[in-house]
Amino acid sequence: DAGVIQSPRHEVTEMGQEVTLRCKPISGHDYLFWYRQTMMRGLELLIYFNNNVPIDDSGMPEDRFSAKMPNASFSTLKIQPSEPRDSAVYFCASSFLQTGEQYFGPGTRLTVT
Amino acid sequence: DAKTTQPTSMDCAEGRAANLPCNHSTISGNEYVYWYRQIHSQGPQYIIHGLKNNETNEMASLIITEDRKSSTLILPHATLRDTAVYYCIVRAPQSNFNKFYFGSGTKLNVKP
Repeated sequence: DAGVIQSPRHEVTEMGQEVTLRCKPISGHDYLFWYRQTMMRGLELLIYFNNNVPIDDSGMPEDRFSAKMPNASFSTLKIQPSEPRDSAVYFCASSFLQTGEQYFGPGTRLTVT
Repeated sequence: DAKTTQPTSMDCAEGRAANLPCNHSTISGNEYVYWYRQIHSQGPQYIIHGLKNNETNEMASLIITEDRKSSTLILPHATLRDTAVYYCIVRAPQSNFNKFYFGSGTKLNVKP
């Protein structure tokens, strides 16, 4: 299995632009997670899905952030408009059932100038 | 979910066993202990988990005290590639994943 796939690996954009991060979970996994990691705040859960349905988005910082999972093999995290404080590494992870064994992708390093 | 306490950093000589402690004194009876690690610039990696019995897999061993208030992750023969931040997390099955709190972890430095 290829593991969790994320794209792009690096994204540099200007303030105010729309950013879309993509994730392909491991086949057969029914949970998908989006995390953000910064030096100041560590690893934070933004939102997670079960069977393509958002379960908890309480970690989404504000309305500028949105996430979708149109099918079992694809999810997006969108930031519109982006701001410099959104600069971080964004990780996608997936897991099977309700276990705590999450498998993380390599992350997308986002820089907003 | 219970919070955990870990040392900020630890050193270990290459080839020796690395013993990483975790305190979870308020753990509930149905909460599991999970260990993850994050090598620099990579996503976190699941290592092992357990409820009350000791567990071992190809990566590590997990020793949980009888009262379950603390645990130790053991890397039997540490290599330079084991240099990473190690996270100890406790979580009950079926609980909301927003309580799957990674915290600051322990930075393990494996030295030649």
